[in-house]
Amino acid sequence: DIQMTQSPSSLSASVGDRVTITCRASQGIANYLAWYQQKPGKVPKLLIYAASTLQSGVPSRFTGSGSGTDFTLTISSLQPEDVATYYCQKYDSAPDTFGPGTKVGIK
Amino acid sequence: QVQLVESGGGLVKPGGSLRLSCAASGFTFSDYYMSWIRQAPGKGLEWLTYISDSGSTIYYADSVKGRFTISRDNAKNSLNLQMNSLRAEDTAVYYCARGYLTDYYGRAVGYWGQGALVTVSS
Repeated sequence: DIQMTQSPSSLSASVGDRVTITCRASQGIANYLAWYQQKPGKVPKLLIYAASTLQSGVPSRFTGSGSGTDFTLTISSLQPEDVATYYCQKYDSAPDTFGPGTKVGIK
Repeated sequence: QVQLVESGGGLVKPGGSLRLSCAASGFTFSDYYMSWIRQAPGKGLEWLTYISDSGSTIYYADSVKGRFTISRDNAKNSLNLQMNSLRAEDTAVYYCARGYLTDYYGRAVGYWGQGALVTVSS
């Protein structure tokens, strides 16, 4: 099975900073990669699918890129409401494994 | 609007069984792949299983293969998860989830239920 890793596992940045999270697949998954945001105590929310397509209603400060094995989620200007854990998920073929998550906080 | 409402969670002893259900509304249920995903307390998301729109294709994570069974009733707009031989490590919030698009490559989760807590403890 393909393994998913994320880095860093956590980060703390200032409001307005550019934040980048990396997700790596152990084998190529084309662009079948989604990003989710889970705020504390809440249900996860789809941010990006097909590696780079922004889900409707998601702020444009979130962007996704990559294909094959290496992917990134970028928050162009971190806002207080972006405090959350971010997960990637592959869905090229089962199992539809999630990454371990990246916890984003504010300095 | 899309709604997914899980039921059937609760406390069960190790080795016991539990059946979760998910009532779907606000969309054409029979058009979508559906999944179950869980999250243990303080841990990350774990994908468990999916079932195709027709029910003909099913896949399980190794951690639940042989113990859990996913099923759907398109006439009743319901998704089920039969959980047998439960272990302490199955303690988690279980989410019913719908794909964001109506095809195989639309399986990324566009909608989540609120979750059902399953606690496995003696």
